[in-house]
This record gives sequence, C-alpha cells and structure tokens, in this order.
Amino acid sequence: EAGVAQSPRYKIIEKRQSVAFWCNPISGHATLYWYQQILGQGPKLLIQFQNNGVVDDSQLPKDRFSAERLKGVDSTLKIQPAKLEDSAVYLCASSWTSGGPSSYNEQFFGPGTRLTVL
Amino acid sequence: GQQVMQIPQYQHVQEGEDFTTYCNSSTTLSNIQWYKQRPGGHPVFLIQLVKSGEVKKQKRLTFQFGEAKKNSSLHITATQTTDVGTYFCAGHQGNTGFQKLVFGTGTRLLVSP
Repeated sequence: EAGVAQSPRYKIIEKRQSVAFWCNPISGHATLYWYQQILGQGPKLLIQFQNNGVVDDSQLPKDRFSAERLKGVDSTLKIQPAKLEDSAVYLCASSWTSGGPSSYNEQFFGPGTRLTVL
Repeated sequence: GQQVMQIPQYQHVQEGEDFTTYCNSSTTLSNIQWYKQRPGGHPVFLIQLVKSGEVKKQKRLTFQFGEAKKNSSLHITATQTTDVGTYFCAGHQGNTGFQKLVFGTGTRLLVSP
C-alpha cells in the first residue's frame, strides 16, 4: 500500500512569511496527526484529527499555526507568520484509529517537510 | 507537564556489543510503543506493549514494559551497523477519554564496524 505522502520535502522562508504543508494519509486511515520535530528532540504532537474533526490541538500555537482536514482525507498545516523557532521537520502521520490500548493504533509517518526559517 | 525521558541521550558502540535504552514517564502509561528513526528519515513503528511487565522479542531486540507501567526498555543484542538510528519510546497518557501519544526524548545509537 502507498505510504503517507507529504509535500514539499524542503522549504526555506524568511521570518514573518507564510508557509503551508500538505499531507495525504494512507487510504482508509481515519486519524491524522501533525508533529513538529526540532533537531535532536522527539516528535511533538501539534494537532490530531479524527476524520475531519479535531481531537486535540492543545499544543498548536493557534496565534500562528492552523490546520484543516476538510473532507476527512488530506490535510494542510499553515504557519503565518513564521518565526525563527519554527525551524523544524513537520511530520504527518496516520493510523486506523486513535484511542486506548485495545485499539490498533500504530502510527505511519510520512517523510516530513524540513522547514528553515531565516 | 507530561514528560517521557530516555537515557542515555547518545551511545556509541562497537559492532557486536549490546545496547540498552531506558524510557521513564512521569505518569502511568496505557501502553508503550517504540519507533526507530534512521538519520534523515522518519520514525518507523517497531512494537507496542500493553500489559504490565510485558516482554516481547524481535530477533535481536527485546522490549520490556515495567510493572508500574511508567517505564520501559529496549535491549539490542550484538548490535549491527544497520541498527544505527535514534530510538524513541512513546506512550499514551491520560486517565479518561482522549489519550495523547507522547514521545520520549530519544536515544541516538551509533555503531562502528
């Protein structure tokens, strides 16, 4: 089966500019995640969707970050305006379902988008 | 806040030596997952443990979930150069309703031939 697709793979922008990332999850996966991974750290969950609804966005800096999954399939993550500290790899992941330990909730990650803010 | 720490941060071994990374959570976890991230790559799921005290093996890799469900370990026997990468534990935290997967800080493994 095809994996999680992300684009672009790399992006370099100036601070205060805007940027958008796109993710297409594995077909049939109801849950979609956006993570931010700063160099040398573990992935940090920004937002989690179940179909087209937001399950958790508690760590999303909502003054500058936004995300949507309008039809419950692909998703976009936007940063406006970008700051230097937003430089990171933005990972998209998907799974059959989120939930507790009885659920099959292995997450499949895309290749990520490496963002550099100058 | 919710934290999942891993030690060591970094380990450099000779091929054939054993390696262990330890994962400790500040709160009880519902489960523990382990992921491997190759340099320049993305995290890839290795395994999930759910039960207290559970031990699972995958060839040279042994995974353990602590009795209190707050810690875990990954042990690699006789490392190979293909084991190079960063190993992350991740656990679902939360008492009721929504449980969020929280990743650990990671252990970077370098294996010299």
